[in-house]
Amino acid sequence: NAGVTQTPKFRILKIGQSMTLQCTQDMNHNYMYWYRQDPGMGLKLIYYSVGAGITDKGEVPNGYNVSRSTTEDFPLRLELAAPSQTSVYFCASSRDRYTGELFFGEGSRLTVL
Amino acid sequence: RKEVEQDPGPFNVPEGATVAFNCTYSNSASQSFFWYRQDCRKEPKLLMSVYSSGNEDGRFTAQLNRASQYISLLIRDSKLSDSATYLCVVNVPNSGGSNYKLTFGKGTLLTVNP
Repeated sequence: NAGVTQTPKFRILKIGQSMTLQCTQDMNHNYMYWYRQDPGMGLKLIYYSVGAGITDKGEVPNGYNVSRSTTEDFPLRLELAAPSQTSVYFCASSRDRYTGELFFGEGSRLTVL
Repeated sequence: RKEVEQDPGPFNVPEGATVAFNCTYSNSASQSFFWYRQDCRKEPKLLMSVYSSGNEDGRFTAQLNRASQYISLLIRDSKLSDSATYLCVVNVPNSGGSNYKLTFGKGTLLTVNP
């Protein structure tokens, strides 16, 4: 009963490096999301997807890219990491966009030095 | 005005106390409302949805006031295990009203002391 699984849990990057945060869900949810959470701030939506092959920008998409080739997987790519991308990243999924019940992964803590 | 704004907190209360959190939202067309709970260094989890008529789940009561555009969460008989950050979440429509996005408040930290 895995739910939403994110990897890695922790990562330190140097400025300018790239990496991919992996997210997979086994609930057959069409909707998937990437959020970032900075200390003392609410969750900010980076990108979301309403199904395989369909993605769209959220509030803070700059510096990130996503793809959704399957229902299960929704990786988040950071290109040219910057200190401003130091944050906790949460992947989530939901059955639809209106019920409000998001199932979150455990989070990925990223530090860019 | 921010889309979703919560009591800044933090709240420190003794065990057994009653505590209430408020949250205001700016878009009157918002359709659905939720409270999430987030433990320290953990992911958020849905605590309860908020219905127009108000709803209760054990020691937790959620209320919605559409006229004043706020929602509240009341916790009675606080337990040590209630210590967490409580996030107000509102489903906010876009400018055309054709799409919605879940918008999170910054959260209110509650610490229940023995």
